[in-house]
Amino acid sequence: ETGVTQTPRHLVMGMTNKKSLKCEQHLGHNAMYWYKQSAKKPLELMFVYNFKEQTENNSVPSRFSPECPNSSHLFLHLHTLQPEDSALYLCASSQVQGGGTSGGYEQYFGPGTRLTVT
Amino acid sequence: GQQVMQIPQYQHVQEGEDFTTYCNSSTTLSNIQWYKQRPGGHPVFLIQLVKSGEVKKQKRLTFQFGEAKKNSSLHITATQTTDVGTYFCAGTTVSGSRLTFGEGTQLTVNP
Repeated sequence: ETGVTQTPRHLVMGMTNKKSLKCEQHLGHNAMYWYKQSAKKPLELMFVYNFKEQTENNSVPSRFSPECPNSSHLFLHLHTLQPEDSALYLCASSQVQGGGTSGGYEQYFGPGTRLTVT
Repeated sequence: GQQVMQIPQYQHVQEGEDFTTYCNSSTTLSNIQWYKQRPGGHPVFLIQLVKSGEVKKQKRLTFQFGEAKKNSSLHITATQTTDVGTYFCAGTTVSGSRLTFGEGTQLTVNP
């Protein structure tokens, strides 16, 4: 499946580093999402962008900074992360009707970036 | 806030046995989705249920949405090794806000 791509697939970074995760969707969708998946925890929604506008920020620490330059691209900028931020970061997209929120729409996930903070 | 709980957390079955995972919400849902994540993979959408009491089938998979729209189940008949993975339910509240995922049920199938 190549509908949603993410780079890099694996990333190891120190706590003082700055890095960015990239997501691109080729499905013509108008909404994109960042999720965090940690071991033994449910998928946690981090950010939602509808029509390039951020509509949800699920109380995410400021060391995570999203950017959505257009409806096909989504970035997650990382700086001064903590070891507990190590996780699989998943990007997803969906086609939302009428400016609605994330609920009720099939989400297409990318392969994820496995992040390790040392 | 909304909570979506799944049981069991883990399930080990012999190939050919049936498998069921249950999803319960603390609040009434407008719809519920199910996803499958293979080991090392990413969640893949399986189905969405919207109506009270709805039942949908996909080959050996049967999905149900409770009458009160607060619970759902996924039943797999005669499991195969290709069914291995983690099955997540994800619900949306009546207000139509964000999708909330359950913790998932990890299924292993012994050949």
